[in-house]
Amino acid sequence: NAGVTQTPKFRVLKTGQSMTLLCAQDMNHEYMYWYRQDPGMGLRLIHYSVGEGTTAKGEVPDGYNVSRLKKQNFLLGLESAAPSQTSVYFCASSRSSYEQYFGPGTRLTVT
Amino acid sequence: AQSVTQLDSQVPVFEEAPVELRCNYSSSVSVYLFWYVQYPNQGLQLLLKYLSGSTLVESINGFEAEFNKSQTSFHLRKPSVHISDTAEYFCAVSTWMDSSYKLIFGSGTRLLVRP
Repeated sequence: NAGVTQTPKFRVLKTGQSMTLLCAQDMNHEYMYWYRQDPGMGLRLIHYSVGEGTTAKGEVPDGYNVSRLKKQNFLLGLESAAPSQTSVYFCASSRSSYEQYFGPGTRLTVT
Repeated sequence: AQSVTQLDSQVPVFEEAPVELRCNYSSSVSVYLFWYVQYPNQGLQLLLKYLSGSTLVESINGFEAEFNKSQTSFHLRKPSVHISDTAEYFCAVSTWMDSSYKLIFGSGTRLLVRP
């Protein structure tokens, strides 16, 4: 099993550009999550999904959109990137209320 | 709202010394508690978890944490650290919110093990 994979690993964007981050899991998990990690702030939840076709807002959803068209994939979109969105983005999945399994992260820089 | 406090942002310690990383959470209701470890340039890995039962939980690499309900704490300890334990450690609480469970993370503690 590959677990949770994320593409790309690194990306540099100019302000105003758009991009999509892809998360894939092969564990048949119902729940999927997108977090951002910033120094000294831990991980903050952006959006999450409790099943195929569902999405919901987390703690810091502004400027991001998500889609869960297939159970194994969870996409995070930035429509118009801003320097404040420079961060490391982590995807995670879980089967239930218990532990989440994390991907390796995507390091995004917006100039 | 649920919150998690990790009191130390960085803990330097010499190799083979004991260490304690502190974690306190705010909820008075039943919670599930976790410690995750993040090695440099990697994702988060589950280190150990408390779901129910014995309040002392252990990991395979010598860490342990004790759930203390009265003090709402879940401190992480290791009696003798190795250089390879250098990493960032995150305490997290799973709590029911908006029709699903969410993980609330602390801000992290960077453990720096020196030779």
